[in-house]
Amino acid sequence: QKEVEQDPGPLSVPEGAIVSLNCTYSNSAFQYFMWYRQYSRKGPELLMYTYSSGNKEDGRFTAQVDKSSKYISLFIRDSQPSDSATYLCAMIGKGFQKLVFGTGTRLLVSP
Amino acid sequence: DTAVSQTPKYLVTQMGNDKSIKCEQNLGHDTMYWYKQDSKKFLKIMFSYNNKELIINETVPNRFSPKSPDKAHLNLHINSLELGDSAVYFCASSQDAGDTQYFGPGTRLTVL
Repeated sequence: QKEVEQDPGPLSVPEGAIVSLNCTYSNSAFQYFMWYRQYSRKGPELLMYTYSSGNKEDGRFTAQVDKSSKYISLFIRDSQPSDSATYLCAMIGKGFQKLVFGTGTRLLVSP
Repeated sequence: DTAVSQTPKYLVTQMGNDKSIKCEQNLGHDTMYWYKQDSKKFLKIMFSYNNKELIINETVPNRFSPKSPDKAHLNLHINSLELGDSAVYFCASSQDAGDTQYFGPGTRLTVL
């Protein structure tokens, strides 16, 4: 079993839809959770960073962490074609030296 | 004003050749990383340096050798290139090991 599981997609939605992207993990020592967005032929860019269980909102993006279920989500409201990209979850435990990444979910938002 | 930069952006070479990729960060970070991203987009860490000291060395063929001349630079040298080395290589940096990482634009390596 991989430490971090993420559906590779692609996930296709129409413009304006609410998008839900998810990752599950097995290591209960993970404490810090990140979402990266990667456009085609570009490097991953940090989108959201969360520490505790609960929600964190930034504009149209909401990151949700449920440590009891070992489940994290990224919600995108009013999705735009410019949101089309691969979204990677990443996580790390306190004192760990390396991030563990999910495989990424490819999102396609059609006009 | 690029935070993490890599050169070259594209690299096409023949099997058996030796090549280098360079990375520089101007964020003042102490830790730098090399990742390999395969065709399925999976990001796999290869190496990490903290203050010029190697702290992560994943199971990578010894044909790959990282070098960190100073905190702001981390280069990757690859000997005797093989077809399977074709991938996108990303450099990243973070304030300290375990902190949020910032990625460069990637180097697309194609081995023919």
